[in-house]
This record gives sequence, C-alpha cells and structure tokens, in this order.
Amino acid sequence: DQQVKQNSPSLSVQEGRISILNCDYTNSMFDYFLWYKKYPAEGPTFLISISSIKDKNEDGRFTVFLNKSAKHLSLHIVPSQPGDSAVYFCAASGRNSGYALNFGKGTSLLVTP
Amino acid sequence: NAGVTQTPKFRILKIGQSMTLQCTQDMNHNYMYWYRQDPGMGLKLIYYSVGAGITDKGEVPNGYNVSRSTTEDFPLRLELAAPSQTSVYFCASSPQGSYNEQFFGPGTRLTVL
Repeated sequence: DQQVKQNSPSLSVQEGRISILNCDYTNSMFDYFLWYKKYPAEGPTFLISISSIKDKNEDGRFTVFLNKSAKHLSLHIVPSQPGDSAVYFCAASGRNSGYALNFGKGTSLLVTP
Repeated sequence: NAGVTQTPKFRILKIGQSMTLQCTQDMNHNYMYWYRQDPGMGLKLIYYSVGAGITDKGEVPNGYNVSRSTTEDFPLRLELAAPSQTSVYFCASSPQGSYNEQFFGPGTRLTVL
C-alpha cells in the first residue's frame, strides 16, 4: 500500500530551465514532508522540508509547494544545473505513522547541458 | 564529524548464512533507523530505536533483529539469509523523531545467493 506516490519515474530538463517534481500522498494524517536527493552508491541527502501549516518553503534554488486539499506537493528547482541530476525521493511522516518516513519510489532527474 | 557510517559496503551471502550490518553515528542523535531499498522502490523501514536500550519494529521487520546498547551504534542482524533479503540497506539517525530530517549513511549492498 503505497501512501506516497511519485508517478513520474524520470524527468529530463535542459540546464537553466525549471525542474518540477511531483508527489502525491493518500494518508491525511501526514503533516511533515521532505525531499531527499540521492546519487548512485550514496545514501539519500536531505534537501528541503515543509510542515502542513505552510504551503510553501524556499531554500535557494529549491522551493517546495504543498496543496493539502489535493494531497499534493511539488519540488521546483530553478535554474536547473547538471549537478542536480540525481534521484529525488519524496517522503512524509505524521503522528499516526510513528517515526517512520514513508518514501515514494523516486524520480530520476537528468539535467542536460 | 563522520556522520553516519556503515560497514561493510558490499557483501554476498549464501542462503542460510548470518551476518551483522554495522551502523555508527557520531552526532549524538537519539533516534536511529534501518531501511531497505529494493530496485525501483522507495525505502522501507525495518526497525528503529528512540534511544539506547529501546527498539521497535517498522514496516518490514521479519528476518531481522536489532540491538541498541549505546547511543552511537545500531547493528542490524540477519540470522538466516534468504534471497528476498537481497537489497541495499541504509542506516539513518535524527536528533528527534517526527518533524526532523534523518541523516543517512552510504548504504550496504547485500546479495543473497
């Protein structure tokens, strides 16, 4: 039962353009959302998070948007750089899920020069 | 700070063999976690610990055991390896439970033949 869904396995974007990665969730008890970035043969590294009391959080080139009514969040990367090429995981947690992070399957982003 | 370290990086086991995956963190975090990632899938929680001497099951605990005798170490034990346990294992830690990012180690790639 996949509670966090990333429906796009891959995305290709030109350098300098905007990358938009999407994530949907089904559990209405989730109230904290995170994006992780993962390079091959490395562990995931934290990128940005948002709590359910906000609808937007920004950190440099990265912005996460949360639409609670649609149970949808998105990560915007502007401008995209070749070094951003990696797998991006959306994760969610909440009181009812204990301490677990529920992960999506990931979206592989390729930024081409 | 080394962060979260895991050993070994790679291991091949025969069916029925046992092994321990080591995890150490030097950030004095109370919470530690073990996840597994199967190909094309998100990370799934195996076990977690909220402090020395306290552990609890995650989503996929069958076939594994853990212990937490110190704040720094959180080893994962496989008693009778099965092909279904072929996966990449990630250890993570966080200063608190929910509403905090988790810091991940580089992973252990395990193959059971």
